[in-house]
Amino acid sequence: NAGVTQTPKFQVLKTGQSMTLQCAQDMNHEYMSWYRQDPGMGLRLIHYSVGAGITDQGEVPNGYNVSRSTTEDFPLRLLSAAPSQTSVYFCASSQRTSTDTQYFGPGTRLTVL
Amino acid sequence: DQQVKQNSPSLSVQEGRISILNCDYTNSMFDYFLWYKKYPAEGPTFLISISSIKDKNEDGRFTVFLNKSAKHLSLHIVPSQPGDSAVYFCAASAGTSYGKLTFGQGTILTVHP
Repeated sequence: NAGVTQTPKFQVLKTGQSMTLQCAQDMNHEYMSWYRQDPGMGLRLIHYSVGAGITDQGEVPNGYNVSRSTTEDFPLRLLSAAPSQTSVYFCASSQRTSTDTQYFGPGTRLTVL
Repeated sequence: DQQVKQNSPSLSVQEGRISILNCDYTNSMFDYFLWYKKYPAEGPTFLISISSIKDKNEDGRFTVFLNKSAKHLSLHIVPSQPGDSAVYFCAASAGTSYGKLTFGQGTILTVHP
């Protein structure tokens, strides 16, 4: 099993550009989530989904969009990148809820110039 | 407003000794707590969890203690091994919103041989 995969591993954007971070899982998990990790801030929840077609906002959703058209995929869209979005982004999935064991992807390191 | 706090950014211990990592929370609605471990350039991995109906949970060398009245939990690693060197995050969830997990800032543990 591949588990949770994220692409790309690294990305550099210019301010104002848009892009999509890809996340896929092959464990048939209902729950998927996106976090960003910043120095001294820990992991902060951006958006999450409890199943296909259902998404909700986390702690820091502004500037990001998500959709969940299939169980497997949960892409994160940056609409107009800003330097404040420079961070490491992690996607995670778990069987049903956030308190089930979450399996994290390897992360995407994003730099916005 | 940081609802989950890990006030020690780093901890250094000798191999074979006990490591104690601490975590405080402010939201009295939190009723489920987890610890995740993260190595550099990897996603976090689940370590151990505890429900608020318990005050202790053990898994091999790892024990989590919960003091609800003090809103404090701790992770004990005995004996510590060099392979335990990583960043440790505590996280909490409230029963009414199992979609959201709130993480602390993390503590860097270094175990010296």
